[in-house]
Amino acid sequence: LAKTTQPISMDSYEGQEVNITCSHNNIATNDYITWYQQFPSQGPRFIIQGYKTKVTNEVASLFIPADRKSSTLSLPRVSLSDTAVYYCLVLPMDAGNMLTFGGGTRLMVKP
Amino acid sequence: GAGVSQSPRYKVAKRGQDVALRCDPISGHVSLFWYQQALGQGPEFLTYFQNEAQLDKSGLPSDRFFAERPEGSVSTLKIQRTQQEDSAVYLCASSFDSNYNSPLHFGNGTRLTVT
Repeated sequence: LAKTTQPISMDSYEGQEVNITCSHNNIATNDYITWYQQFPSQGPRFIIQGYKTKVTNEVASLFIPADRKSSTLSLPRVSLSDTAVYYCLVLPMDAGNMLTFGGGTRLMVKP
Repeated sequence: GAGVSQSPRYKVAKRGQDVALRCDPISGHVSLFWYQQALGQGPEFLTYFQNEAQLDKSGLPSDRFFAERPEGSVSTLKIQRTQQEDSAVYLCASSFDSNYNSPLHFGNGTRLTVT
């Protein structure tokens, strides 16, 4: 499995755009990138996933450069309720959907 | 229900007791996973079912841990002779199938405290 590295923690303020970058230098050709969000006292929740370029949904955008050695989760105009842990995962497309979590990025949104 | 349901929400057990944790997955979901999450850490994989078949149990930490899904729906994680190091949140997740693009839907977990 490709190793991922992401900041342990980040602080932001309400209304700001937050970008969380994940490094995955040894990503393989058939690997895809997925992000999960975990609020306190809840299980993780799927946010977004992609293979290359840009993916956008109602929650976030995911930017993946051409070399795919990193990816950036972008949260527009965060609110206090976006305070959570964000996990970046890189998984092979041909090995099912079992997830291997790292430590994640703890995002604190302040008023 | 609309999501994955786990019960009980909290469980306190004395060391040496047996516990059983229940997971009700989303109806129709083929795949079911159990994870263990220690405080401040990411979830760690325990075991995986496809329907009633337990296809991977490589993450179970010892033979005191046992999981079943006899009818391919509800699953139970049983821990025998609980130890203090078993204290953690136990998360259950289900997915429609096992394809890479089938996201996992997690329950809110059972917090187990062993005293």
